[in-house]
Amino acid sequence: DAGITQSPRHKVTETGTPVTLRCHQTENHRYMYWYRQDPGHGLRLIHYSYGVKDTDKGEVSDGYSVSRSKTEDFLLTLESATSSQTSVYFCAIKWDTLGDTEAFFGQGTRLTVV
Amino acid sequence: GIQVEQSPPDLILQEGANSTLRCNFSDSVNNLQWFHQNPWGQLINLFYIPSGTKQNGRLSATTVATERYSLLYISSSQTTDSGVYFCAVVSRNAGNMLTFGGGTRLMVKP
Repeated sequence: DAGITQSPRHKVTETGTPVTLRCHQTENHRYMYWYRQDPGHGLRLIHYSYGVKDTDKGEVSDGYSVSRSKTEDFLLTLESATSSQTSVYFCAIKWDTLGDTEAFFGQGTRLTVV
Repeated sequence: GIQVEQSPPDLILQEGANSTLRCNFSDSVNNLQWFHQNPWGQLINLFYIPSGTKQNGRLSATTVATERYSLLYISSSQTTDSGVYFCAVVSRNAGNMLTFGGGTRLMVKP
């Protein structure tokens, strides 16, 4: 177990409401990532972080924001949820960049926007 | 950005059969990983293999970085091998973003 906890594991919310998903790690890894998984699209990167307060956009960042105020926590916020954001969200962590290293994934959060 | 293509997209096997899954990528990579997503949705690390060959029980993987492909071999398949197998890479030219292929959905029948 790579020491990654996602919360909540399941959530149903209404269109237009704000939603925050949390990824917590106990490994002190520098890199953290948020992905979404949809049928027919595999896993796509939303945002990632390479340190406290350092974040960057991924392939599908529109409609999402992130924050990382502590090494162990990476938050994903949907400011105003839409039905197109119904998906399974995965968090991942990775140690460091030099020569690159193995990434590990959390259990996922299933979000339904109705 | 880097393109990652996996084949075949779907595969059905009888228990005990062997199979080879392929991952092609369009650029030089620093990192290549194989994952198994089980029927409960959990992503399980199989191999971290930017180059060379590794084996773990009935599974083995080979990455030929110069030719931009990787292969995952499953021998004597079991029903518990069912699920989706993903290849994911980090391009040398794209920072630290892990890019996934579309996956191979494997069903092993008893």
